[in-house]
Amino acid sequence: QQQVKQSPQSLIVQKGGISIINCAYENTAFDYFPWYQQFPGKGPALLIAIRPDVSEKKEGRFTISFNKSAKQFSLHIMDSQPGDSATYFCAASNDYKLSFGAGTTVTVRA
Amino acid sequence: SAVISQKPSRDICQRGTSLTIQCQVDSQVTMMFWYRQQPGQSLTLIATANQGSEATYESGFVIDKFPISRPNLTFSTLTVSNMSPEDSSIYLCSALAGTAVYEQYFGPGTRLTVT
Repeated sequence: QQQVKQSPQSLIVQKGGISIINCAYENTAFDYFPWYQQFPGKGPALLIAIRPDVSEKKEGRFTISFNKSAKQFSLHIMDSQPGDSATYFCAASNDYKLSFGAGTTVTVRA
Repeated sequence: SAVISQKPSRDICQRGTSLTIQCQVDSQVTMMFWYRQQPGQSLTLIATANQGSEATYESGFVIDKFPISRPNLTFSTLTVSNMSPEDSSIYLCSALAGTAVYEQYFGPGTRLTVT
């Protein structure tokens, strides 16, 4: 039973477009919400993260939006580039242990 | 952040044998974890590797199948015992590191195939 639900499973975006990935959770004990980027054959790389007392966090072209009351958070990738083509995982932490979403494969077309 | 290495990077093993995977972190860390990722799937936490005490296992994972050691603050091993084809997966270690206490970094993974 997945504690973090992630959608969509995959998406295709044109170069320069915006990629949006959504996640939802039920466990209110989660207190840290990271996003990971994974390329084939590599381990997940920490991309950006947010704590529940913040509604938005931006780092370069990546933005997390967090809605505590709805128990939802999302990743926006602005000005998507072909190098952003990867699988993205949202996660939620309880007592430092991560529960991962199912992953979203993003393909950026040049 | 932390640089995490794993050995071996991949292996092909026969049913019924055991494989020990090593995880090395380039700095002392408080917490280390082991995850499993089946190809094309998400990550599932196997256990928390505790330094100086027994590992803490998640539901569905047991010590007899996945014994874990953590002899110091930079190193841990995971053994996959009495392997079956269902154990074919990618095994990843991770560690809490970085300036923010919650930041968790992953190694490159060990791709295990059981025949």
